[in-house]
Amino acid sequence: GQQVMQIPQYQHVQEGEDFTTYCNSSTTLSNIQWYKQRPGGHPVFLIQLVKSGEVKKQKRLTFQFGEAKKNSSLHITATQTTDVGTYFCATGTASKLTFGTGTRLQVTL
Amino acid sequence: GAGVSQSPSNKVTEKGKDVELRCDPISGHTALYWYRQRLGQGLEFLIYFQGNSAPDKSGLPSDRFSAERTGESVSTLTIQRTQQEDSAVYLCASSLGVSSFTEAFFGQGTRLTVV
Repeated sequence: GQQVMQIPQYQHVQEGEDFTTYCNSSTTLSNIQWYKQRPGGHPVFLIQLVKSGEVKKQKRLTFQFGEAKKNSSLHITATQTTDVGTYFCATGTASKLTFGTGTRLQVTL
Repeated sequence: GAGVSQSPSNKVTEKGKDVELRCDPISGHTALYWYRQRLGQGLEFLIYFQGNSAPDKSGLPSDRFSAERTGESVSTLTIQRTQQEDSAVYLCASSLGVSSFTEAFFGQGTRLTVV
């Protein structure tokens, strides 16, 4: 089945620094979704990308879907302590929503 | 209901006992997923339901695990003869369906501890 790898596994930044997580697949993806899981919480949907080269923004978050639809990135500008959590990419097929390995973000003052 | 509801929220059980975990999806959502998340790890796919049928059971780790869904609503995940390695948070998610792929809404999860 489809597998998506995320890098880095963990990143620790100081508040105000930028952060980027990358999601990579060896196969073409029909779509990519991004979720955020706060510590002790459950994954919460952030966004879905379906078009080649698509870029979407949500305030300080910028999401990109690669031209070849094999990779995606989530970039956070000027991180805040509220950004702490694990960010997962996911891709859906007819029978499964497969999640990436996740990137855990720690933000300190 | 307003969201995906899972019960119990916490379950401590003795090794060898059976447990049943329940998921109430959002009304009208035909797709339902079960995932397992060990501490500090990612989401491990277990099973997917479209309506009441389970076209993809490929993630169930052993024959001790089974799941069913009735009335295109409630789903139960049953683990027989629990082992310590079954300790994890079990997350349920639902979505509208695959004809128009949309976001998955997660429940709060059931934290299972096998002692």
